[in-house]
Amino acid sequence: GQQLNQSPQSMFIQEGEDVSMNCTSSSIFNTWLWYKQDPGEGPVLLIALYKAGELTSNGRLTAQFGITRKDSFLNISASIPSDVGIYFCAGPLGGFRDDKIIFGKGTRLHILP
Amino acid sequence: GAVVSQHPSWVICKSGTSVKIECRSLDFQATTMFWYRQFPKQSLMLMATSNEGSKATYEQGVEKDKFLINHASLTLSTLTVTSAHPEDSSFYICSAPGFGSYNEQFFGPGTRLTVL
Repeated sequence: GQQLNQSPQSMFIQEGEDVSMNCTSSSIFNTWLWYKQDPGEGPVLLIALYKAGELTSNGRLTAQFGITRKDSFLNISASIPSDVGIYFCAGPLGGFRDDKIIFGKGTRLHILP
Repeated sequence: GAVVSQHPSWVICKSGTSVKIECRSLDFQATTMFWYRQFPKQSLMLMATSNEGSKATYEQGVEKDKFLINHASLTLSTLTVTSAHPEDSSFYICSAPGFGSYNEQFFGPGTRLTVL
């Protein structure tokens, strides 16, 4: 079945550093979604990408939809303590708004004191 | 974005009892909702798709008689864990597609189930 391979699995960085994580798939996706999950809470949508090659920003976050439709990356600039959490990439399995989505295994971001 | 709520936020129950979890779309209607389960340090695993007015669709390996889903209205889906056992302890999260034409999903805050 379709899978999303997310890397790295975890990151340990200093406050102020930039962060980059990516997601790849053997299948084509028409939408890429990036979520953040804080401990004990549900995922929150950060950025949604709808077109191949699209580059979208949300504050310090920037994400790109790969031109092959099989990958996406998320960058965080000038990390701050509240960026700590788990970042998931996700992609809908169909082209309709009610289609189910699959998730990558997540990238756990830690900020060293 | 769309707001999805869940109730309760946490529940502790004895083994063998049933637990009901509610998922509501607060400012939009959702003919479809999704239920996920998440074990510690793991990703979200889709359990089932809840369809308003019809039967839920379960993912492979998920027991439909154990995890009863009822989508009684356009804003409410419920998940009932029947005869819960300690191995059912997990974080249960629901989601609903947004009200736009794109297929983002918006998630509830989750329900932590602990079965003693």
